[in-house]
Amino acid sequence: AQKVTQTQTSISVMEKTTVTMDCVYETQDSSYFLFWYKQTASGEIVFLIRQDSYKKENATVGHYSLNFQKPKSSIGLIITATQIEDSAVYFCAMREAYQGGRALIFGTGTTVSVSP
Amino acid sequence: DMKVTQMPRYLIKRMGENVLLECGQDMSHETMYWYRQDPGLGLQLIYISYDVDSNSEGDIPKGYRVSRKKREHFSLILDSAKTNQTSVYFCASSFTTGGHSYEQYFGPGTRLTVL
Repeated sequence: AQKVTQTQTSISVMEKTTVTMDCVYETQDSSYFLFWYKQTASGEIVFLIRQDSYKKENATVGHYSLNFQKPKSSIGLIITATQIEDSAVYFCAMREAYQGGRALIFGTGTTVSVSP
Repeated sequence: DMKVTQMPRYLIKRMGENVLLECGQDMSHETMYWYRQDPGLGLQLIYISYDVDSNSEGDIPKGYRVSRKKREHFSLILDSAKTNQTSVYFCASSFTTGGHSYEQYFGPGTRLTVL
């Protein structure tokens, strides 16, 4: 069975520092995609970054980067130089291909609070 | 500008009434989705559509049905709404190629209250 687990329910950081959040996943597929999304206070869900399982290099987009540890089935999100507007709920998600299904499996989210 | 739209944004209905939630996307994405989000439960997949008239049940399809007659438009229908269908509903779409769908783009959500 596929599963995505985010054990950190909330993290508080000071502005301009780095925050790291964890995500572990379970899958039987050899090929899969991992995603991070952000949900703002207004409810908007925004795609941030993707890691393809066959790529060894960690994905980076702007001040978001990933720590992909395939042997540990782990995909951490790192936000550097945090800003107040980075305060949000961050969801990890996975997609694997099975019988044509293309649904995302989401974790339960980590709430990040950035203080000035 | 890639965009997923949802209408209405807020809706209040009485139990037993029919509900129609509309979703549109301007990216020509093949695959579209309906989710609901409830506190503590995260995002739950209701239905997935692979293209026009090609729909499949998600994890919690009971009480819902969908319609997709145009690629850019995907509707969620609640026939005789129930109070436990009070939730925030999100539509999403994703680019699909070679059998793989990539990141999903979400609409702003519809907050539905069933009294």
